[in-house]
Amino acid sequence: QSVLTQPPSASGTPGQRVTISCSGSNSNIGRNAVNWYRQVPGTAPKLLISTNYQRPPGVPDRFSGSKSGTSASLAISGLQSEDETDYYCAAWDDSLNAYVFGPGTKVTVL
Amino acid sequence: VQLVQSGAEVKEPGASVKVSCETSGYTFSGYYVNWVRQAPGQGLEWMGWINPNNGDTIYAQNFHGRVTMTRDTSIATAYMELSRLTSDDTAMYYCVRGGYCIDAVCPPGSYWGQGTLVAVSS
Repeated sequence: QSVLTQPPSASGTPGQRVTISCSGSNSNIGRNAVNWYRQVPGTAPKLLISTNYQRPPGVPDRFSGSKSGTSASLAISGLQSEDETDYYCAAWDDSLNAYVFGPGTKVTVL
Repeated sequence: VQLVQSGAEVKEPGASVKVSCETSGYTFSGYYVNWVRQAPGQGLEWMGWINPNNGDTIYAQNFHGRVTMTRDTSIATAYMELSRLTSDDTAMYYCVRGGYCIDAVCPPGSYWGQGTLVAVSS
């Protein structure tokens, strides 16, 4: 059971904006940067957002990250069919002395 | 930048497995190498990292005593060995170059290996 909480699923229609939440505590998100990863089943994960809101080169600006207190969010605007996959938040946890991943959120494009 | 992992393994319970991660296209000693695993149908689980510059490691508590991460700087390769395998260790194992570091925390970044499937079965 992860110390980070994500909704198991999220959905939207093409063109809509979808937001995925990631809730933690003062030992992880409250003190440390959050990364977001995207994984198409059967392939290696891909870094989507680094240090709360930074997009690595090649990541479309449709993806944006934010953090406030002990929670973080990933927003996908202009939802596309190719966005239908799994998304994970992650952060360092000072109490566990480990990097922890959220359980993942499956995004469905209706 | 490339990280190329060794091939799939089938092991019996109680055995050990050693996965290699051959890197290229960057200065090996300049970036941590993380190891992340994913059991079938499950989420991502961080196992630990190694600093190739000095060999320092941090392991997730779940794997303490069972995992050993090493490196060979002469061939820019990192290794992850997991011992006393059980069926719960059946998973895809990924090596990942460390990304942007903050306060000596260098989490998985943009460059991942292709994964190594380890199956534990009698």
